[in-house]
Amino acid sequence: NAGVMQNPRHLVRRRGQEARLRCSPMKGHSHVYWYRQLPEEGLKFMVYLQKENIIDESGMPKERFSAEFPKEGPSILRIQQVVRGDSAAYFCASSLENTEAFFGQGTRLTVV
Amino acid sequence: AQSVSQHNHHVILSEAASLELGCNYSYGGTVNLFWYVQYPGQHLQLLLKYFSGDPLVKGIKGFEAEFIKSKFSFNLRKPSVQWSDTAEYFCAVNRAAGNKLTFGGGTRVLVKP
Repeated sequence: NAGVMQNPRHLVRRRGQEARLRCSPMKGHSHVYWYRQLPEEGLKFMVYLQKENIIDESGMPKERFSAEFPKEGPSILRIQQVVRGDSAAYFCASSLENTEAFFGQGTRLTVV
Repeated sequence: AQSVSQHNHHVILSEAASLELGCNYSYGGTVNLFWYVQYPGQHLQLLLKYFSGDPLVKGIKGFEAEFIKSKFSFNLRKPSVQWSDTAEYFCAVNRAAGNKLTFGGGTRVLVKP
């Protein structure tokens, strides 16, 4: 039973480019969460999705960031026109209803 | 809004020493409580969780945590650490009816051999 799979593990983008981060939840999990970990900080909630629905996006920056979890395929976190401050580790987690979340290995985004 | 605070940012111990990491949360309702560990270069792994019942929770790798409702605390303990316990430890909370986790800032633990 594969765990939460994130790809790519490392992503380098120039300022102004787009970054797409992918997350495949654990088999059977329909709840997906994205968190961001800035250097020397804890994890900050970004967005919570269920299939085809955004449930809570209170942690998402208002501009340039979007997330989706389509009926088929992985969840995607998309960052448009990246800036240096977007450099961070982005973690995806998945769960069943009201159970513990299982985390992926993260995508480390570096903006140069 | 709920928040989680971890008192120590860095802890340095020798092997066989006892470890206690503090965690306090601010939320008046029913909560679920978690401790996650992140070993260098790896993803977060669940150490233990509290949903209800016995407030003393035993987790993996010899860790335990005690939920003290009156103090809004969920401290993590291990009687005797090993070098392999070097990692960053995160306390997290979510509301019983929801799933979003709120994390503390993490505590980096270094165990010297």
